[in-house]
Amino acid sequence: GAVVSQHPSWVICKSGTSVKIECRSLDFQATTMFWYRQFPKQSLMLMATSNEGSKATYEQGVEKDKFLINHASLTLSTLTVTSAHPEDSSFYICSVGDPYGYTFGSGTRLTVV
Amino acid sequence: AQTVTQSQPEMSVQEAETVTLSCTYDTSESDYYLFWYKQPPSRQMILVIRQEAYKQQNATENRFSVNFQKAAKSFSLKISDSQLGDAAMYFCAYRSAGNTPLVFGKGTRLSVIA
Repeated sequence: GAVVSQHPSWVICKSGTSVKIECRSLDFQATTMFWYRQFPKQSLMLMATSNEGSKATYEQGVEKDKFLINHASLTLSTLTVTSAHPEDSSFYICSVGDPYGYTFGSGTRLTVV
Repeated sequence: AQTVTQSQPEMSVQEAETVTLSCTYDTSESDYYLFWYKQPPSRQMILVIRQEAYKQQNATENRFSVNFQKAAKSFSLKISDSQLGDAAMYFCAYRSAGNTPLVFGKGTRLSVIA
């Protein structure tokens, strides 16, 4: 499968600030990437589908203005958590689909204080 | 919409023994894919095994095998000769044809007892 790099792996930010998470497909041109959120001891919840060169498709209940997704190239998608609040603290994971299956980034643990 | 159900929140197995994790799904589609992913404490999602719905033969990857019952919409994972490193959260996932997102079950936490 594809090789996916996600950064940062861990970030702490102050309430009200913004945080950007990067997801890179290192060896596969990804027209589509997926962003998930995972709360402790729970499953992965799809937040949005990131489409290269066009707007992301958000799942119902996900605030588009809070979770900004940009997919400007075939190898990079970014998720920006704007005006972060403590309830945004979570584990965020990106995923790339290739012909074999889906490869996941290593995830980003966001803590908002 | 497709749904995936894992009815066993937790399972345990003795080292070197065999354990089976259950998964059922609901879909009206005929072309789809099923996956088992492992998530260890590092939280990295690792693909364990995948099955194409059009294939009747059950997938096998070393100590991991599946029992795919298409008519019953069942997709269980069997782990043989369990090892301590198998301890993790296991997620069953469904994907429609095309580049569509995975739909996950709630997961089963597997403990391996030495």
